[in-house]
Amino acid sequence: GAGVSQSPSNKVTEKGKDVELRCDPISGHTALYWYRQSLGQGLEFLIYFQGNSAPDKSGLPSDRFSAERTGGSVSTLTIQRTQQEDSAVYLCASSPLWGLEQPQHFGDGTRLSIL
Amino acid sequence: AQTVTQSQPEMSVQEAETVTLSCTYDTSENNYYLFWYKQPPSRQMILVIRQEAYKQQNATENRFSVNFQKAAKSFSLKISDSQLGDTAMYFCAFMTPNTGNQFYFGTGTSLTVIP
Repeated sequence: GAGVSQSPSNKVTEKGKDVELRCDPISGHTALYWYRQSLGQGLEFLIYFQGNSAPDKSGLPSDRFSAERTGGSVSTLTIQRTQQEDSAVYLCASSPLWGLEQPQHFGDGTRLSIL
Repeated sequence: AQTVTQSQPEMSVQEAETVTLSCTYDTSENNYYLFWYKQPPSRQMILVIRQEAYKQQNATENRFSVNFQKAAKSFSLKISDSQLGDTAMYFCAFMTPNTGNQFYFGTGTSLTVIP
């Protein structure tokens, strides 16, 4: 597709369950970002992948959160043993290599609701 | 540490009028980039305008312009001739290469254009 694709668009799950969120970046974009947007809050940086370099995980809020990017393309964000405070919209963005002057292209996000 | 502050949680403007959204940031870096993103109810984030810190000239994109005051660390967005489609959340963002291209976002300003 032409843009960043995220799936699912909505996810409702019970507390304690694991969830996997998927992001398919724009073809050719080597930088990929995950953000969390809680109600009434700004965007919270979670993790950043750039090419084959080790990801910057400095924004992950706890060890229940992990992310991987296979083959330098699709990324999955996994949340284990979900808690109610994990409820948020999770946004993925991508940008080209050397994206210093390149804007991030965002997906539509996954709205995660923990019951 | 880098921080971005948007002090106006909500604003409204009459259609065809002009509105200015404020943003301040804090950094010790000298090389950085500033962005305004728009998030309509559809949820997808869209880049509105960007500014390189080394450029003194304020960026302009059609009806959107910024007032970049580097010494004051201020980066306000002016929307001229407001249109109903401008109704959205607006996020100010900061990025410096010196922190691994991590983006820092403000908490957003909800703008409503009144017909």
